[in-house]
Amino acid sequence: DIQMTQSPASLSASLEEIVTITCQASQDIGNWLAWYQQKPGKSPQLLIYDATSLADGVPSRFSGSRSGTQYSLKISRLQVEDIGSYYCQQAHSNPWTFGGGTKLELK
Amino acid sequence: QIQLVQSGPELKKPGESLKISCKASGYTFTDYAMQWVKQAPGKGLQYMGWINTQTGKPTYADDFKERFVFSLETSASTAYLQINNLKNEDTATYFCARYDYYFDYWGQGVMVTVSS
Repeated sequence: DIQMTQSPASLSASLEEIVTITCQASQDIGNWLAWYQQKPGKSPQLLIYDATSLADGVPSRFSGSRSGTQYSLKISRLQVEDIGSYYCQQAHSNPWTFGGGTKLELK
Repeated sequence: QIQLVQSGPELKKPGESLKISCKASGYTFTDYAMQWVKQAPGKGLQYMGWINTQTGKPTYADDFKERFVFSLETSASTAYLQINNLKNEDTATYFCARYDYYFDYWGQGVMVTVSS
């Protein structure tokens, strides 16, 4: 199975700050990578797919990038409504696997 | 609009069984596979497997090959997750999610508590 190593596990940031979360795939997954946001008590929501494409309705302050087998999610200017947990997921090979998650809090 | 509506919370004793439902609306049920994801309290997302909504064939991730059963009632656009011989470690929220290369729509989750 493909392992997804996500970092950091937790992150405290200020409003308007730039936030970056990374995921390292254990093997080549091409652009088959998604990011999800999960707010407390809610189900996850698709943010980014194909490593860099924004899902419908997602604010443009979110962006995804790839460098080899490392993937990044960037929030350009952190807003209050961005607080929650974030997960990467590889869609290259079943079983699909998630990163361990990043809990984002306000400083 | 596309919706996945899951059944309500469950409180069960070890050894019992339960069946969770996931009713889809707003799209053709058989056009997309249905996936299941577990989230233990305070933990991350764990992929359980999927069911082919055209054939009814289930595929289970390694940790879920015993005691877990995916099924369908296609006429009702509903997918089911059954867990047999419940254990304390099954305490979690269980999500169904539509899959179109990615998990694009999710149910609201079902909180399952297993306690004696």
